[in-house]
Amino acid sequence: EVQLVESGGGLVQPGGSLRLSCAASGFTFSSYSMNWVRQAPGKGLEWVSYISSSSSTIYYADSVKGRFTISRDNAKNSLYLQMNSLRAEDTAVYYCARGQRGYSGSFDYWGQGTLVIVSS
Amino acid sequence: EIVLTQSPATLSLSPGERATLSCRASQSVSGYLTWYQQKPGQAPRLLIYDASNRATGIPARFSGSGSGTDFTLTISSLEPEDFAVYYCQQRSNWPYTFGQGTKLEIK
Repeated sequence: EVQLVESGGGLVQPGGSLRLSCAASGFTFSSYSMNWVRQAPGKGLEWVSYISSSSSTIYYADSVKGRFTISRDNAKNSLYLQMNSLRAEDTAVYYCARGQRGYSGSFDYWGQGTLVIVSS
Repeated sequence: EIVLTQSPATLSLSPGERATLSCRASQSVSGYLTWYQQKPGQAPRLLIYDASNRATGIPARFSGSGSGTDFTLTISSLEPEDFAVYYCQQRSNWPYTFGQGTKLEIK
């Protein structure tokens, strides 16, 4: 069974940093691209970042470019999101999502999400 | 950035009725359009990829159509569990973008 479990969320002050993790199981992690998608409270979905299976290709939304860094450790079946210079508008539930094989821009499995609150 | 506009924002229907949800792109996304369903407190679920392909385990009452800039998600006969928020998303161009969602509510 495919499972994605996020962790690392919490309350952080504006300007602070946080590192999110996503532990994957039930599939060959190293064969799939991965993404972070966020959802502000009561709002819609926003794609945040993409990383290819080998980490050779990475993309970010303009809203986080220069502040967030996506990475993965295929040996540990884990995906990460390092978030620096956090702002109030970064408050959201952050989901890790697997890119569908052959259709990597569609996300076929999602974690349950981890809540990040940026507030003083 | 490609903007996806979903309509209507809210759709009020009864179980057994047919639901038609629309997603319009600000420029062509070819057929690279995906639909998700999200229920309160849950992660989104993949329904349809590349405009018309049902994801694994998705009931046949869900269908997608369209290409270019205009897309439709149809639910042929609503079941109680179908009342949720539906999002479209394009994977044609970076950055990937989502529509703002259509809330399908029970009338």
